[in-house]
Amino acid sequence: SQELEQSPQSLIVQEGKNLTINCTSSKTLYGLYWYKQKYGEGLIFLMMLQKGGEEKSHEKITAKLDEKKQQSSLHITASQPSHAGIYLCGAAPSPGGATNKLIFGTGTLLAVQP
Amino acid sequence: SAVISQKPSRDICQRGTSLTIQCQVDSQVTMMFWYRQQPGQSLTLIATANQGSEATYESGFVIDKFPISRPNLTFSTLTVSNMSPEDSSIYLCSTREGGLNQPQHFGDGTRLSIL
Repeated sequence: SQELEQSPQSLIVQEGKNLTINCTSSKTLYGLYWYKQKYGEGLIFLMMLQKGGEEKSHEKITAKLDEKKQQSSLHITASQPSHAGIYLCGAAPSPGGATNKLIFGTGTLLAVQP
Repeated sequence: SAVISQKPSRDICQRGTSLTIQCQVDSQVTMMFWYRQQPGQSLTLIATANQGSEATYESGFVIDKFPISRPNLTFSTLTVSNMSPEDSSIYLCSTREGGLNQPQHFGDGTRLSIL
């Protein structure tokens, strides 16, 4: 079965610093989703990537999906305390029509020190 | 995107009891899902809640333990039956509007602790 591995597991950065979180799949990704979760709460949808080489940005967050569609990165520029939380990548494990299921990565805990 | 409300937001229950979690969406949605997030773990799909028919359960989850209702396109419930401490988790409702290329959106979750 497909697994998503995130790195690093946790990250502490100084406010204003840049950081990158990676999500690696054992199989081809058919839709890659990035979410943010505050401790003990629900998930906030950030971005969705579908095509190899695709890159999307929203405010200070940029997500990329590699050409082979097996790895994605989430980059935060000039981090702020509001960026703190758990970042989760999720993926559709098979091409459209086969399943509704999303599998999720192990999560990356981000702390931003003022 | 749709606004998803879950009730209760948290509860502490005795083992052997059952709890029903409600998920209300502010608009009609095609798909509704229930996930579980055990302490320190990532999310695992429990089942897809189908409107007007039985839910579709993932491997490892059964209807007797997690009965699900979906009477209409805006509402679903998940019951956690005969609870044990291993059921202590965050339970999350999610929805998807449109096709498989659309993202799932999540409610704030229900934090459940079993004593």
